[in-house]
Amino acid sequence: SAVISQKPSRDICQRGTSLTIQCQVDSQVTMMFWYRQQPGQSLTLIATANQGSEATYESGFVIDKFPISRPNLTFSTLTVSNMSPEDSSIYLCSGRQGIDTQYFGPGTRLTVL
Amino acid sequence: QQQVKQSPQSLIVQKGGISIINCAYENTAFDYFPWYQQFPGKGPALLIAIRPDVSEKKEGRFTISFNKSAKQFSLHIMDSQPGDSATYFCAASRDTGRRALTFGSGTRLQVQP
Repeated sequence: SAVISQKPSRDICQRGTSLTIQCQVDSQVTMMFWYRQQPGQSLTLIATANQGSEATYESGFVIDKFPISRPNLTFSTLTVSNMSPEDSSIYLCSGRQGIDTQYFGPGTRLTVL
Repeated sequence: QQQVKQSPQSLIVQKGGISIINCAYENTAFDYFPWYQQFPGKGPALLIAIRPDVSEKKEGRFTISFNKSAKQFSLHIMDSQPGDSATYFCAASRDTGRRALTFGSGTRLQVQP
C-alpha cells in the first residue's frame, strides 16, 4: 500500500491570494489525482497530475485556476490561485498503484475569507 | 450527470446488526468498484473492491455483492460496531484511460451501542 501525506493540513487564506498544496507518496504510483470535497459531500475529481507534462483537467476546472505539477513519480503540487470564498473546501491528493488500487491523503482543509 | 447513485444518505444501525448500503451505476464501461470509508477529518480509506467477473467478495465483516445485469452493487457490514460509524463512499472506474474514480454521494453510518 501507499502512504500519502499532504502539506499543509489546513490553512486560512485571504481572498485573492494563492495557496500551494504539496502531496508526497512514500512509494511510486502510476497515477496521481487531485480531488475536491466540500464538507459532508462527495469527492469531485479536479485533474490528473501527469509526470513531466501538463495535467489533465476535468470539466469545470482550468489550469489557470488550479495549476498542477508532478516533477516525479512520488510528488505533486496543486495551487489554488486567486482564491475566493467559493474555493473553501477540502483538497485531497490520491495515488494509484497497479491497475486500480487508489490511496488518498488526509486532505488539506482550506478556508478563504 | 451523476454516474454512480448511492443510497441511503444516512443509516442508523444497532450494534451487532447488518448495515447495507447500495449503489447503482449507468456506465457499462465501469469495471472496478471500490468502497471507501472516511472518518471525520481524514482522507477516504480503501475498504474493499470488486470486479464484474465475480458476484460477491468478502473480507472479514465486509462483503460486496455485485449484480452486473442490474448494474448495482452493495456493501454489507456484518456485526456492525460503533467503530464502524463513518461515511462510506462507493466508487467506480472505467476500463480504459486514466481510470479515475467516480464517487457516489456517500452514506453516513451511525452504529448505536
